Amino acid sequence: KAGVTQTPRYLIKTRGQQVTLSCSPISGHRSVSWYQQTPGQGLQFLFEYFSETQRNKGNFPGRFSGRQFSNSRSEMNVSTLELGDSALYLCASSFYPAGERATEAFFGQGTRLTVV
Amino acid sequence: GQQLNQSPQSMFIQEGEDVSMNCTSSSIFNTWLWYKQDPGEGPVLLIALYKAGELTSNGRLTAQFGITRKDSFLNISASIPSDVGIYFCAGSPLSGNTPLVFGKGTRLSVIA
Repeated sequence: KAGVTQTPRYLIKTRGQQVTLSCSPISGHRSVSWYQQTPGQGLQFLFEYFSETQRNKGNFPGRFSGRQFSNSRSEMNVSTLELGDSALYLCASSFYPAGERATEAFFGQGTRLTVV
Repeated sequence: GQQLNQSPQSMFIQEGEDVSMNCTSSSIFNTWLWYKQDPGEGPVLLIALYKAGELTSNGRLTAQFGITRKDSFLNISASIPSDVGIYFCAGSPLSGNTPLVFGKGTRLSVIA
């Protein structure tokens, strides 16, 4: 059974550009959550999607957005990139949405975004 | 928002020693998860706990769900060099529709 797949693994962008990251969850999982990880801040929750609907959103500016498709694949987009957006972006998939039932969340390998 | 206090922040131990780390919360959780993350990689799930008092092992790793449902610990026995990494705890709050809450991690270094 394939794990969570994130593409691309590495990305270098210039300030002001936008970027789209992709996440394919484990087959059968309908919940996808996105996190930003930086050395000083740890894992910061961005948003969660379940069955194409955003269920939760973290405390990030509107430049960060996401969506989920009918096959449960999810994308997140960051517009007008800033230097501080440089981070490892992780997605996690689970069978049930967060908080509804005891469930395990499995992470992808992440996308390392560098903004220059 | 809800927070998890994970300690210690970092540990330096000799190969062969046992390791213990823990997480505490101000609120009740219905799930505790423990992850290990290697540099540049995503966290890998080590152990999942679902019941208060539950004690679960995965090889040399043992984790427990605290009786109060507000804490959990992870033990690693007979550490080896490949145990090096950052260990995260995560909890699912009892209230519904709430994302996982993560600790800030314990950085483990093993000296051969």
